Amino acid sequence: GDSVTQMEGPVTLSEEAFLTINCTYTATGYPSLFWYVQYPGEGLQLLLKATKADDKGSNKGFEATYRKETTSFHLEKGSVQVSDSAVYFCALSGRDNYGQNFVFGPGTRLSVLP
Amino acid sequence: ETGVTQTPRHLVMGMTNKKSLKCEQHLGHNAMYWYKQSAKKPLELMFVYNFKEQTENNSVPSRFSPECPNSSHLFLHLHTLQPEDSALYLCASSQDYRDSSPLHFGNGTRLTVT
Repeated sequence: GDSVTQMEGPVTLSEEAFLTINCTYTATGYPSLFWYVQYPGEGLQLLLKATKADDKGSNKGFEATYRKETTSFHLEKGSVQVSDSAVYFCALSGRDNYGQNFVFGPGTRLSVLP
Repeated sequence: ETGVTQTPRHLVMGMTNKKSLKCEQHLGHNAMYWYKQSAKKPLELMFVYNFKEQTENNSVPSRFSPECPNSSHLFLHLHTLQPEDSALYLCASSQDYRDSSPLHFGNGTRLTVT
């Protein structure tokens, strides 16, 4: 079945550091790819998405590019802030016998220190 | 009020109690979902409803009983739970289960079974 692998962390960075969180996937067909973020005490929020190969999703300074050849969707941000401290989930939406099939990675906890 | 609203935010119940979790979405979506989020485990899909019809039940124990009276409301009825059922229960919605539209999550109900 479809799966998502991401670095589990925790990742600890200083403010203004460069962030990369790796995500790779296995899927049949052509899934859509997503990054979700979960702040403490809250549910998951959609951060960005890409629906086809070479698409770049971006939001709030975060970016990720859908790389079909490497089956990857790595999350990057050039300069992190303390407010970016959260858990980040990579996810894909493929197809199964019933409809769409959302598969989430295990999440990567990011702590940004002032 | 917008988005996906879950009540209560916190719930403590004994193993012999009966309680219900409520979810309401104001996004005009047609699909609604229950997920379970436990510490150190991936997000687990429990139930999916599309246009009020249940489309998936991922081998969830019968002590969890979903109800979807209309496309805007989703309930999870709980009875005779076990301590290992303690977790964050997340409700989500999307435009249609059959496409790759993103999930929109509520803030969850933190359930503790004593």
